[in-house]
Amino acid sequence: GAVVSQHPSWVICKSGTSVKIECRSLDFQATTMFWYRQFPKQSLMLMATSNEGSKATYEQGVEKDKFLINHASLTLSTLTVTSAHPEDSSFYICSARDQQGPSYEQYFGPGTRLTVT
Amino acid sequence: AQKITQTQPGMFVQEKEAVTLDCTYDTSDPSYGLFWYKQPSSGEMIFLIYQGSYDQQNATEGRYSLNFQKARKSANLVISASQLGDSAMYFCAMRHTGGFKTIFGAGTRLFVKA
Repeated sequence: GAVVSQHPSWVICKSGTSVKIECRSLDFQATTMFWYRQFPKQSLMLMATSNEGSKATYEQGVEKDKFLINHASLTLSTLTVTSAHPEDSSFYICSARDQQGPSYEQYFGPGTRLTVT
Repeated sequence: AQKITQTQPGMFVQEKEAVTLDCTYDTSDPSYGLFWYKQPSSGEMIFLIYQGSYDQQNATEGRYSLNFQKARKSANLVISASQLGDSAMYFCAMRHTGGFKTIFGAGTRLFVKA
């Protein structure tokens, strides 16, 4: 089946620094990727929809300048958490739609655990 | 407005028995899809089963079946012959056909007892 990878799988950074998380579709092309955030013991909350070659669409309440999304190719989207603070510590999960596959299917990456100290 | 409700924060089931995880949804759109995902402690989201709003029959995938009752707007997941490896968080989700945004429920943590 389709595989989505994320890198890194976990990262610890100091407050005030920026962190970049990569999401790759390994064996399919994804014009659309999604970034979710999950706090401990909570559900997934969609942060933004990443569109290849255009600006991301952010959900209400998500700071565009803090969570920078770039979807430069059909297989790669990146999420950069700028000037990270401890409250940004969370589990970040991406998913991707295979433009050739069933329209209902999304494939999830394994997630990235961010800890800001 | 779209909404997914999972009212069971936690469920216990004996190994080899069946268990039903509840999910109700709310939408005014006639065309949508319903999903169940499993999230083990490792964090990955594992797709289990899909049901389209126009599908006449309940979806089944191995030990997983989706009890779809459209009039009641419910989409319960039934796991038959539970295994210890089924212990995980389970999320019900919905997405409108042709849409991009997936809405997730709060999740149900399933514990399978030996």
